[in-house]
Amino acid sequence: SQKIEQNSEALNIQEGKTATLTCNYTNYSPAYLQWYRQDPGRGPVFLLLIRENEKEKRKERLKVTFDTTLKQSLFHITASQPADSATYLCALVMRGSQGNLIFGKGTKLSVKP
Amino acid sequence: GAGVSQTPSNKVTEKGKYVELRCDPISGHTALYWYRQSLGQGPEFLIYFQGTGAADDSGLPNDRFFAVRPEGSVSTLKIQRTERGDSAVYLCASSPSRQGASTEAFFGQGTRLTVV
Repeated sequence: SQKIEQNSEALNIQEGKTATLTCNYTNYSPAYLQWYRQDPGRGPVFLLLIRENEKEKRKERLKVTFDTTLKQSLFHITASQPADSATYLCALVMRGSQGNLIFGKGTKLSVKP
Repeated sequence: GAGVSQTPSNKVTEKGKYVELRCDPISGHTALYWYRQSLGQGPEFLIYFQGTGAADDSGLPNDRFFAVRPEGSVSTLKIQRTERGDSAVYLCASSPSRQGASTEAFFGQGTRLTVV
């Protein structure tokens, strides 16, 4: 069966550390993978997009990797801050699709001061 | 407007009633998506519009759900004979081009629907 799994429902880290979130998928062939941030009571906000032929993307303190052999994406936040506390969602876009996103359940990140 | 706007932000309705949820996308965005998000879950795709036409409605759970976008801008999601299991946050997203796969989606804040 097809599955998207994000490593844990919750991740607690200390301010200043690097947060690493994992997204694994099974029986999908995505053309793109996107990461979104969602705050309580709000819609998801786009962070980064990585294509199947790209290994790594960076944006400020954010880095995402994409390994189509392992069927895994890693999302890193360096020098984390309490303001980074939110739920982070990974989403796949399948080849030949109309662009609709297939989301994981999300990982709730808490950064403690 | 500056972003995707959804109204109402909250809707409480009785089981069996009909509801309409509205989405006003970012001006000029031709692609529009509806998603449904239950508590503790990621958003789940419902329907995609390219312009006025529903290009993919494969995510609609049953024939009680219907959506329109008559002028290629505002969209309305319609739910007939609501059931308690329809309770969720309904999210709308728009994207600037037909190639929605390679561009980000801009989400509204959602409509929280509660069926009692």
